[in-house]
Amino acid sequence: GEDVEQSLFLSVREGDSSVINCTYTDSSSTYLYWYKQEPGAGLQLLTYIFSNMDMKQDQRLTVLLNKKDKHLSLRIADTQTGDSAIYFCAESGYGNNRLAFGKGNQVVVIP
Amino acid sequence: ETGVTQTPRHLVMGMTNKKSLKCEQHLGHNAMYWYKQSAKKPLELMFVYNFKEQTENNSVPSRFSPECPNSSHLFLHLHTLQPEDSALYLCASSQAKSGGPTDEQYFGPGTRLTVT
Repeated sequence: GEDVEQSLFLSVREGDSSVINCTYTDSSSTYLYWYKQEPGAGLQLLTYIFSNMDMKQDQRLTVLLNKKDKHLSLRIADTQTGDSAIYFCAESGYGNNRLAFGKGNQVVVIP
Repeated sequence: ETGVTQTPRHLVMGMTNKKSLKCEQHLGHNAMYWYKQSAKKPLELMFVYNFKEQTENNSVPSRFSPECPNSSHLFLHLHTLQPEDSALYLCASSQAKSGGPTDEQYFGPGTRLTVT
């Protein structure tokens, strides 16, 4: 079955880079996603990567995928106070609209 | 503004009450979802509706009853809940595609439910 693992807490100084990691078990995963949840809000899709890619860059966000190790990471460059949130990775398979989420990683940005 | 709204935002109910959560999407999507978010646990998928038909019930107790009258609206009817049902209930929608890759899900802000 699907199982997505994330570590729970990261503290980072404003202006530094932050890296959040995620591992998954379903080798048939087609898309892997990063969602952000700010306090009192729903989840917002930040970025996603197709499983045949190993890197995707989108402004301050860099996603790295190691398909062999089933490891996904999100790097946020020049972290801002507005980046303080919980970050969830998720995965899905081809042809189904079912997402499996990790427990989330809380990022706290210190001014 | 995500285009997915949920009401109420907060709800406190006793174990013998009956209440309903409402979700509405303004994005023209044809798939809608209910998720349960509890502290320190992964987001749990509860129900999936594609084109108003329920396509997934993830072993959810019968005290939770979904209803999808049309592609834009989704309800979750609650009846004789337990304190452990207290959680944030999130609704999402997407453009379901048959035979293609999963499309992005857009989430509402959630309803914070407390069962006393």
